Amino acid sequence: EIVLTQSPGTLSLSPGERATLSCRASQSVSANYLAWYQQKPGQAPRLLIYAASSRAPGIPDRFSGSGSETHFTLTISRLEPEDFAVFYCQQYGNSPFTFGPGTTVEMK
Amino acid sequence: EVQLVQSGAEVIKPGESLTISCKASGYNFDSFWIGWVRQMPGTGLEWMGSVYPGDSDSSSNPSFEGQVTISADKSIRTAYLQWSSLEASDSGMYYCVRGLWAFDVWGQGTMVIVSS
Repeated sequence: EIVLTQSPGTLSLSPGERATLSCRASQSVSANYLAWYQQKPGQAPRLLIYAASSRAPGIPDRFSGSGSETHFTLTISRLEPEDFAVFYCQQYGNSPFTFGPGTTVEMK
Repeated sequence: EVQLVQSGAEVIKPGESLTISCKASGYNFDSFWIGWVRQMPGTGLEWMGSVYPGDSDSSSNPSFEGQVTISADKSIRTAYLQWSSLEASDSGMYYCVRGLWAFDVWGQGTMVIVSS
């Protein structure tokens, strides 16, 4: 089973700032099948990025994904007030598909 | 609009059985995998397993094999998650999700509380 580690655990930033979130895998993720999700309190997660760098339909272009093999990054270029949430990475290249523990982006 | 609408919250006693459901609309149900993700209180997300309604093929997380049954009825566009005997450790939020790989559509979640 591939174990995903996310860092930092919490990111304290202000609106307008850039957020950089990291996701590291215990082994190479097949075909870079890595997704990112956003979850706000009381809501289901929402798919942001799939295949490491492809934005899901309707996702603003301030969200971008990059990386390969064992190191992936989600970048939010300029934080909007509605972006503050918990972000999870997920690998779906190897079964069982696994999620990281999450990074909380909180308003400073 | 593509939607997954789940059944309501459940409070169940240990040892009892339970089935929760997820009704799909707005897309060809037969052609997309549908599965379940667990989120326990204050913790992260765990993929439990998925089923392909078109031919009933399935894929599951070994951690959940033998603990739950995942199925789908394509005639009524509904997926199910079933337990035969619940334990307190099964308490949590359960989401149905579309897709076998990246999960592009999520249900609103069903809270299951197992308590005597």
